[in-house]
Amino acid sequence: GQNIDQPTEMTATEGAIVQINCTYQTSGFNGLFWYQQHAGEAPTFLSYNVLDGLEEKGRFSSFLSRSKGYSYLLLKELQMKDSASYLCAVRPQKGGGNKLTFGTGTQLKVEL
Amino acid sequence: GAVVSQHPSWVICKSGTSVKIECRSLDFQATTMFWYRQFPKQSLMLMATSNEGSKATYEQGVEKDKFLINHASLTLSTLTVTSAHPEDSSFYICSARDTGIGVETQYFGPGTRLLVL
Repeated sequence: GQNIDQPTEMTATEGAIVQINCTYQTSGFNGLFWYQQHAGEAPTFLSYNVLDGLEEKGRFSSFLSRSKGYSYLLLKELQMKDSASYLCAVRPQKGGGNKLTFGTGTQLKVEL
Repeated sequence: GAVVSQHPSWVICKSGTSVKIECRSLDFQATTMFWYRQFPKQSLMLMATSNEGSKATYEQGVEKDKFLINHASLTLSTLTVTSAHPEDSSFYICSARDTGIGVETQYFGPGTRLLVL
């Protein structure tokens, strides 16, 4: 089976840094994605990791350790607009047409 | 990034009616599209994988006769909720797989909110 765990909620201060963790146990692994979803809207793509290490993209960075089944999303210089749900998703296998399994999401609240 | 549209964005219907939702990839061709359902404060649950020119692949527990999927072209997939009931009220989101940029990223449509009375 597939199991992806994320904290349910986090709160952080504007301008600060926050790290959102994701652990996974899946039948296979062929990539991990992070998406941002604002309330009532569809998810938007943030990052993709398939090899171990850190991928940086502006204020957002994502890290992967395949041996530990662990990833995190790092958000720097937090802004109020970063308040959203952050979804970790794993692509378990190469076949299956790129099927993704999503975690339950972490609701991030950015405060003044 | 790639653009995916959905229509309609909102549907309110009576119990027992059928509702069709369209998903289009606007600036790329998608041999594979995915249909998800999301209940309030929950994550996305994959319902089915839609393959152009062939039958959809449904996830366990999803009734294929209730959720009809048609992927007639490389830019359009439709989901029809047949004989909708109040428990089918949910946020339905499609995504399309873009292989053109080498990452095989899924891009999501804006979603369709269905309310069955």
